[in-house]
Amino acid sequence: ILNVEQSPQSLHVQEGDSTNFTCSFPSSNFYALHWYRWETAKSPEALFVMTLNGDEKKKGRISATLNTKEGYSYLYIKGSQPEDSATYLCAFHEDDKIIFGKGTRLHILP
Amino acid sequence: EADIYQTPRYLVIGTGKKITLECSQTMGHDKMYWYQQDPGMELHLIHYSYGVNSTEKGDLSSESTVSRIRTEHFPLTLESARPSHTSQYLCASSDVRAGPTGELFFGEGSRLTVL
Repeated sequence: ILNVEQSPQSLHVQEGDSTNFTCSFPSSNFYALHWYRWETAKSPEALFVMTLNGDEKKKGRISATLNTKEGYSYLYIKGSQPEDSATYLCAFHEDDKIIFGKGTRLHILP
Repeated sequence: EADIYQTPRYLVIGTGKKITLECSQTMGHDKMYWYQQDPGMELHLIHYSYGVNSTEKGDLSSESTVSRIRTEHFPLTLESARPSHTSQYLCASSDVRAGPTGELFFGEGSRLTVL
C-alpha cells in the first residue's frame, strides 16, 4: 500500500507570516506530484503539477519544490493572507494510481 | 474555471433508500473519478472510468456502483443506503491525453447522511 504523508496536519499562522509544509511520498515509480488547494464549501483546485526532480514552481506568493530521489515536496506560502486559509492536498501519481495525502489544514489568524 | 457539477450537494436519507449522486462535466474529459472522504481522512478512490462503457473499481472497496453511458455523465448509485455510507463523495475528471501531468478537476462534492 502506497502512503502519502503530509505534515503538519493542522497549522495556525499569523497574517503576514510565511509558512511551509511537507508532502512525503514513495520515491520509486514516480510519475508526478500534484498540489491542490481546497477551500471550505468549494471544490479542490490544482495549484501545481510537478514532474522533475529539483522542480520549483511558483504562483504569486505560493511556491513548491520537489525532490523525487528522497520522496518529498515542500509548499511555501510567503506573507500569509486570510484567503490562504484552506486545506492543501498533495497527490502522488504512480502510473495509473493517484494517492492523496490527508492534507494540511491552514488557518490564517488576523 | 472547471465545468464539473455534482448534485445534490447535500442529502439526508433513511436507511434502505436507493440514491443516485449525479456528476456531469462539459470539458469533454474521458477520464472520470469518484472519491470518498470521511472527516480528517484522505480522499479514497472508489470508482473511475476511462471513457464510455468503461468502469473500474478503485482502491477503496465500495458498495456503490457507477455507469458511463455518456462521456459527460458519471452517476454513482447506492441501491440500499446504510449509515456506514455517510460520507462526502467527490467527483473529478481529467484529460486522459495529459497522462499523470493532467490535473484533476473536481466538483463541489455531495455530502450524504444516512440515518
